[in-house]
Amino acid sequence: AQTVTQSQPEMSVQEAETVTLSCTYDTSESDYYLFWYKQPPSRQMILVIRQEAYKQQNATENRFSVNFQKAAKSFSLKISDSQLGDAAMYFCAYPSGTYKYIFGTGTRLKVLA
Amino acid sequence: NAGVTQTPKFRILKIGQSMTLQCTQDMNHNYMYWYRQDPGMGLKLIYYSVGAGITDKGEVPNGYNVSRSTTEDFPLRLELAAPSQTSVYFCASSYAGRGYEQYFGPGTRLTVT
Repeated sequence: AQTVTQSQPEMSVQEAETVTLSCTYDTSESDYYLFWYKQPPSRQMILVIRQEAYKQQNATENRFSVNFQKAAKSFSLKISDSQLGDAAMYFCAYPSGTYKYIFGTGTRLKVLA
Repeated sequence: NAGVTQTPKFRILKIGQSMTLQCTQDMNHNYMYWYRQDPGMGLKLIYYSVGAGITDKGEVPNGYNVSRSTTEDFPLRLELAAPSQTSVYFCASSYAGRGYEQYFGPGTRLTVT
């Protein structure tokens, strides 16, 4: 069965520093997508970044980038120049099949001023 | 463009009561989803719909029902509420299935006592 694991329940980072959030997944598929979603205190889930497995190039969106290691089934999120507004829960998600997204248990990121 | 809207934002139910959580999207998305998020957990799929008149069960459908009479609306009905249904409920929509970003509503916090 496909699974998504986020092994860091909580992380802290100093403002302006860099932090990496980990995500591992298990699948037998060769072509798939992976997502990182952010859930701020307002609760609304917001897409941070998306990676297509068949693309070797790591996805990047401004200060957010991923380190996608397909063979290791690892999909970590790097946040550079951390800002106070980055404080949130971050969820890794894997679309299993056409409709079902499997979400990890989340990592709470604290940004220290 | 309001995106995905949900009502109510908060609700307290007594055991055995019923209620409907409303969800509306204005992006003309065919795909809509209902998730629940329990404390410290990721999101779990309750029901999904791929178009008006078409719905199907997700991972945790027991105790819930849905209908989809229009593209815009996807209400979730709780029958005979139980304490195990205390959770935060999110509605989401997407243009298509796998690989497409899901847009989330702000969530409904439901407490059953």
